[in-house]
Amino acid sequence: DAGVTQSPTHLIKTRGQHVTLRCSPISGHKSVSWYQQVLGQGPQFIFQYYEKEERGRGNFPDRFSARQFPNYSSELNVNALLLGDSALYLCASSNTKRGLYNEQFFGPGTRLTVL
Amino acid sequence: ILNVEQSPQSLHVQEGDSTNFTCSFPSSNFYALHWYRWETAKSPEALFVMTLNGDEKKKGRISATLNTKEGYSYLYIKGSQPEDSATYLCAFMGGANNLFFGTGTRLTVIP
Repeated sequence: DAGVTQSPTHLIKTRGQHVTLRCSPISGHKSVSWYQQVLGQGPQFIFQYYEKEERGRGNFPDRFSARQFPNYSSELNVNALLLGDSALYLCASSNTKRGLYNEQFFGPGTRLTVL
Repeated sequence: ILNVEQSPQSLHVQEGDSTNFTCSFPSSNFYALHWYRWETAKSPEALFVMTLNGDEKKKGRISATLNTKEGYSYLYIKGSQPEDSATYLCAFMGGANNLFFGTGTRLTVIP
């Protein structure tokens, strides 16, 4: 079975632009969560979705938004990019409604560079 | 933002040595404690999720313990091997649906 997939692998944007990152969970997983990992720090939780509904939100500005589609894939959108948004963005899926209460299966991440 | 601390930040051990790391987290409003292994150029991989005070989990040569009353968890690796070289992350789930990660312990096993 395929694991969690993310696209694109790498992305370069300039300040003020908008970006969309995509994630496909493991087949059968209905919970998707997003994390931002800045170099030298641990991943920071952004959002969790289950059955297309937002179930958890981390301490990120409104420039960050996400959604989950009927096939359980997910998009993370970031508007008005800042230099500080440069990071590795990880997506993870889980196979229960309890979402973050259970082990997360991570994708390889999208490396975003904002110039 | 809750404070999850891991120590040490990094360590080097000889192949065959046993080692352990610490994860400290708030002792109130505990839901779960996760451990992940993150090898370079790969995705983080779940090792354990622990939910009960006194929990002990084991997977091969790796084991973990949990003390929710005092807010710490230990990860042990017995007989370290070069393939154990990775960053080990813990993540605390407390209350609201959120996971707070530590900065990780970077382990290098020297052959």
